[in-house]
Amino acid sequence: KAGVTQTPRYLIKTRGQQVTLSCSPISGHRSVSWYQQTPGQGLQFLFEYFSETQRNKGNFPGRFSGRQFSNSRSEMNVSTLELGDSALYLCASSLARPGGGNTIYFGEGSWLTVV
Amino acid sequence: AQSVTQLGSHVSVSEGALVLLRCNYSSSVPPYLFWYVQYPNQGLQLLLKYTTGATLVKGINGFEAEFKKSETSFHLTKPSAHMSDAAEYFCAVSASGNTGNQFYFGTGTSLTVIP
Repeated sequence: KAGVTQTPRYLIKTRGQQVTLSCSPISGHRSVSWYQQTPGQGLQFLFEYFSETQRNKGNFPGRFSGRQFSNSRSEMNVSTLELGDSALYLCASSLARPGGGNTIYFGEGSWLTVV
Repeated sequence: AQSVTQLGSHVSVSEGALVLLRCNYSSSVPPYLFWYVQYPNQGLQLLLKYTTGATLVKGINGFEAEFKKSETSFHLTKPSAHMSDAAEYFCAVSASGNTGNQFYFGTGTSLTVIP
């Protein structure tokens, strides 16, 4: 069974540009969540999608957005990039069974460098 | 509100020695607790999780963790460290219920194994 796939793995962007990152979840997983990982802030929750609807959102500015498609694949977009957006962006998928306690499975991440 | 505190951002042990990584949580509801490991340039991999039932949880690679409600702790241990255990370890808590899959991660503990 294929794991969570994220593309691209590495990218370099210039301040002010926008970027789109893609995530394909494990087959059958309907929940996709995104996290930003930086040395200073650790792992911070961006948002979670379930059945094409945003279910939870972290404390990030509106420049960060996402969406989920009917096949559960997800994209996140960052507009007007800032130097501080340089980070590892991790996608995680889950079966999201009712009742909580679901395990989330991570992809290898997309390394974004803003120059 | 949910939060996790990992005591010690860096831990060094000799090969063959006991590994103890500390995690304390705060949760207003019964928690689901997880330990993940991250190797360089990779995503996070699940080590083990606690949902309900037995408080001593066994995971992969010889790791285990004990849920102690009275101490609000979920410390990770391994009797004998191996060189391949060198990595970053993250403790996480997620809420129960049907509010989604938002995880709260600790700041991580970097484990160094000295030969």
